[in-house]
Amino acid sequence: DTGVSQNPRHKITKRGQNVTFRCDPISEHNRLYWYRQTLGQGPEFLTYFQNEAQLEKSRLLSDRFSAERPKGSFSTLEIQRTEQGDSAMYLCASSWGARQNYGYTFGSGTRLTVV
Amino acid sequence: QKEVEQDPGPLSVPEGAIVSLNCTYSNSAFQYFMWYRQYSRKGPELLMYTYSSGNKEDGRFTAQVDKSSKYISLFIRDSQPSDSATYLCARSLEYGNKLVFGAGTILRVKS
Repeated sequence: DTGVSQNPRHKITKRGQNVTFRCDPISEHNRLYWYRQTLGQGPEFLTYFQNEAQLEKSRLLSDRFSAERPKGSFSTLEIQRTEQGDSAMYLCASSWGARQNYGYTFGSGTRLTVV
Repeated sequence: QKEVEQDPGPLSVPEGAIVSLNCTYSNSAFQYFMWYRQYSRKGPELLMYTYSSGNKEDGRFTAQVDKSSKYISLFIRDSQPSDSATYLCARSLEYGNKLVFGAGTILRVKS
């Protein structure tokens, strides 16, 4: 197991285009989270899944954003009609819903630049 | 008022110094407390977590939580240049729930 994997690492897109990011969590982790981080700030929560169910969405997640986790495995985050304000690092994390081992692990992120 | 306040720094110290990083939080319902280290252009890496008041030690790192004053600290002993990074404190209402992060403190350890 190599940890949480995110692809692509970098994405440059023109304003108005759609983009999709992928996250592959640690295989035994049943929870998957998406965060967004802008320069000089800590990560901000966007949404999270337990298995395939999306349990919570932040008000930061406008209707241009959609996340899926089919079959409770990998997840995708899509941004439609991108805006310059969407430029940020998008981080994925996964954890196991048990208290014995705190395995809340982040991937290296996808850096999005909207030009 | 932000839920989690953290001095952004940068904090610059000489190699071998003891470093003290601090966070305050406003929501007394927070139960879990974490420190993450983030190198430039990388994802955050968990350093320590705790769910109770008191101290927790792991090698050169000690996390201290004071729930009564809503204050947490991370101490780094014998700091090394490789410790240069951004340190993020985070809170969670319960295990496995979303994390609320501070803005991070930039630490620079000079050799």
